[in-house]
Amino acid sequence: AQSVTQLDSQVPVFEEAPVELRCNYSSSVSVYLFWYVQYPNQGLQLLLKYLSGSTLVKGINGFEAEFNKSQTSFHLRKPSVHISDTAEYFCAVRTSGTTSYGKLTFGQGTILTVHP
Amino acid sequence: DVKVTQSSRYLVKRTGEKVFLECVQDMDHENMFWYRQDPGLGLRLIYFSYDVKMKEKGDIPEGYSVSREKKERFSLILESASTNQTSMYLCASSPGTGGEKLFFGSGTQLSVL
Repeated sequence: AQSVTQLDSQVPVFEEAPVELRCNYSSSVSVYLFWYVQYPNQGLQLLLKYLSGSTLVKGINGFEAEFNKSQTSFHLRKPSVHISDTAEYFCAVRTSGTTSYGKLTFGQGTILTVHP
Repeated sequence: DVKVTQSSRYLVKRTGEKVFLECVQDMDHENMFWYRQDPGLGLRLIYFSYDVKMKEKGDIPEGYSVSREKKERFSLILESASTNQTSMYLCASSPGTGGEKLFFGSGTQLSVL
């Protein structure tokens, strides 16, 4: 079984500052990694994903994440945040085999609040 | 775009009632999922289905059951609602066994009084 730990439950930041949301995972097999975002009163939407290849993954809205296998981490970064980035962010993992049917294990979520 | 529709945005029920949460997707996806979202706990998988009439338990199936009679529709059933089932319920779908991306509905906020 796999698990995901998001190390910060809340991250306050000023507009135009950089931000990093931290995610660590645990798994005995190869995994795929994801970041999802949930804006207020909406469902989740995919920000970015790591399946294989380059460990630096770029997503939508200027976000990127780096897969670090030795540290079992997949931290999310953005060099300059906007007010509109205020949302809850979820890190998720699934095993890379086809028998998982795509089911994801999610972290606890990090609420990013961007202040003017 | 894929659309996953949950029938109710808000639902209020009494303890002991039988509750049905409905979810419909319009992209012929094989896989469908029910998650529960609670503050500080993230999303936890209740049940999922990889084909019509096929279902598997997730991490927290106790107190819930599911039904998938048609490919596009996946229902979550609370046999006898309890206050600890007050939560946000999210339905999702994904195509095939690759299933790299989940498409989520907007959620149903269920309050059990």
